Amino acid sequence: GAGVSQSPSNKVTEKGKDVELRCDPISGHTALYWYRQSLGQGLEFLIYFQGNSAPDKSGLPSDRFSAERTGGSVSTLTIQRTQQEDSAVYLCASSLVPPAETQYFGPGTRLLVL
Amino acid sequence: RKEVEQDPGPFNVPEGATVAFNCTYSNSASQSFFWYRQDCRKEPKLLMSVYSSGNEDGRFTAQLNRASQYISLLIRDSKLSDSATYLCVVNGGQGAQKLVFGQGTRLTINP
Repeated sequence: GAGVSQSPSNKVTEKGKDVELRCDPISGHTALYWYRQSLGQGLEFLIYFQGNSAPDKSGLPSDRFSAERTGGSVSTLTIQRTQQEDSAVYLCASSLVPPAETQYFGPGTRLLVL
Repeated sequence: RKEVEQDPGPFNVPEGATVAFNCTYSNSASQSFFWYRQDCRKEPKLLMSVYSSGNEDGRFTAQLNRASQYISLLIRDSKLSDSATYLCVVNGGQGAQKLVFGQGTRLTINP
């Protein structure tokens, strides 16, 4: 069966440009999570969706970051006016239902802001 | 203080050795505990959940000490394929739906 997929797998952009990262969770998984992992660092929680709503968006680092989820499935993470410190791997995970017993991760999007 | 703390390592051990990692967490209300494994440039994958009574899966044994708020992972008869970063993971307090990841402990098994 299909796992969590993310696109693009790699993204290089110039400082100041906007980027959109996409996540397709496992079919039927109601919970979806976005994380960020900088080089050599642990995972940093960004936002959690239950269905289409986001009960916890406390990890979004600034108002340049936003995310949405439609149809209880695909999610898009948008970073506006990208900065060099936004360079990281952005990981998406999904789980069947909360609590987050077993989260299945996608392969990530490697973002490089020049 | 970080919510989940691990020794980042690296740990370099010979094949066949036994290796143990510890992890401490700060939120006494946490209810769920896990070890994830992350290979280089790959996504994290669940290795095992950690239960209060301790649990074993083949060569891997996980234990939880709620009083001291630490979690351990023991790997026996280590294999070259065990080389990875091991992430200690705790849920963010009762009712919280997010997982808090430790920085990870890097393990290299040498032939």
